[in-house]
Amino acid sequence: DAGITQSPRHKVTETGTPVTLRCHQTENHRYMYWYRQDPGHGLRLIHYSYGVKDTDKGEVSDGYSVSRSKTEDFLLTLESATSSQTSVYFCAISAAGSNQPQHFGDGTRLSIL
Amino acid sequence: GQQVMQIPQYQHVQEGEDFTTYCNSSTTLSNIQWYKQRPGGHPVFLIQLVKSGEVKKQKRLTFQFGEAKKNSSLHITATQTTDVGTYFCAGHHNAGNMLTFGGGTRLMVKP
Repeated sequence: DAGITQSPRHKVTETGTPVTLRCHQTENHRYMYWYRQDPGHGLRLIHYSYGVKDTDKGEVSDGYSVSRSKTEDFLLTLESATSSQTSVYFCAISAAGSNQPQHFGDGTRLSIL
Repeated sequence: GQQVMQIPQYQHVQEGEDFTTYCNSSTTLSNIQWYKQRPGGHPVFLIQLVKSGEVKKQKRLTFQFGEAKKNSSLHITATQTTDVGTYFCAGHHNAGNMLTFGGGTRLMVKP
């Protein structure tokens, strides 16, 4: 498996609190993605990055922000978590955009109470 | 927005039976990828199709890309219990760097 580490793996927090999820890669891939996975919705793209400090919105970006200050790290922040953001979050990487395979991390299970 | 629809949502089969999942896009795709996610796991890349009418095989799995590049299918011959999981298609539309995932087909195999 590609060298992708997501942290934390599990988190339970309360509505209104800030939450940051981290994705760390050792593959030196240019592209990094954050998805959320919910029953019946498959994987939906939140934000992605195509280089250091270069990010763009995905399909469901409202309520989320991202930062990429180093090639290897891509952070996803929920500024004020809501119960609708309870989900499993996957980070993925690819060498060169959407015409290349994406390799996924093990996911973070986030519960907002 | 651009959508990728996948059917069926669930499929139960007896071990040894065949299985097919279908993927349809509202617009033309530049390529389509297929992923498999085992229960409790993460999606794993299986294959990418790029050309109109392309057919690729991986052992018992056959992947097809439609002539109009708007639909695709994955067929598994003689399912085994190791095939259990959710299969996702993911389409790349011509603009942008995003994949749009279908909702997935969850395959359950009875031994």
